[in-house]
Amino acid sequence: EAQVTQNPRYLITVTGKKLTVTCSQNMNHEYMSWYRQDPGLGLRQIYYSMNVEVTDKGDVPEGYKVSRKEKRNFPLILESPSPNQTSLYFCASSSDRGPQYYGYTFGSGTRLTVV
Amino acid sequence: QQPVQSPQAVILREGEDAVINCSSSKALYSVHWYRQKHGEAPVFLMILLKGGEQKGHEKISASFNEKKQQSSLYLTASQLSYSGTYFCGTVGLSGGYNKLIFGAGTRLAVHP
Repeated sequence: EAQVTQNPRYLITVTGKKLTVTCSQNMNHEYMSWYRQDPGLGLRQIYYSMNVEVTDKGDVPEGYKVSRKEKRNFPLILESPSPNQTSLYFCASSSDRGPQYYGYTFGSGTRLTVV
Repeated sequence: QQPVQSPQAVILREGEDAVINCSSSKALYSVHWYRQKHGEAPVFLMILLKGGEQKGHEKISASFNEKKQQSSLYLTASQLSYSGTYFCGTVGLSGGYNKLIFGAGTRLAVHP
């Protein structure tokens, strides 16, 4: 089954403790992206990647890092999480021609709480 | 800039129609529509490209006015399954074709 898999689904952590949210897709997609969703603000793009080793900032990249060492994986790293990063996070992927043509397939989401 | 959606919320009875609007302040290459049910991931509905035709299937369709940078989503004879939050997403002609920016969403509730 074609899918985008995120782990974990739920995570509670403390301020400053480094964490990684994993994302993997089995569709051989070139494009991958991370969004965060907050009430009243919709989905805001954190980072996106056009291919292996090619990443770029979205609208809210502060406090986040990403890497794309393999085509299928696109982990989101919070080096020193803070309470304002409490949010629902979605990973998404899109086919070779890109999201501007085909849109994104989203993962199931990761609900992160930073206390 | 984030596209502006209106209305923020809609309440319908089964069988009624609804229109959700999406407006951008910048020139657009494409407009996307997604639906998200509570506790689930957004699901892609359709995309409208600059210079393309109005899209749709069955009772959900959309249009894209390139001159006004506006798109509308039309839900006809709504069903209970249409309930959820609808997001438009826009890709601008400048700033990168990979940057899909979403609006804040329109909550749609369909009641029997």
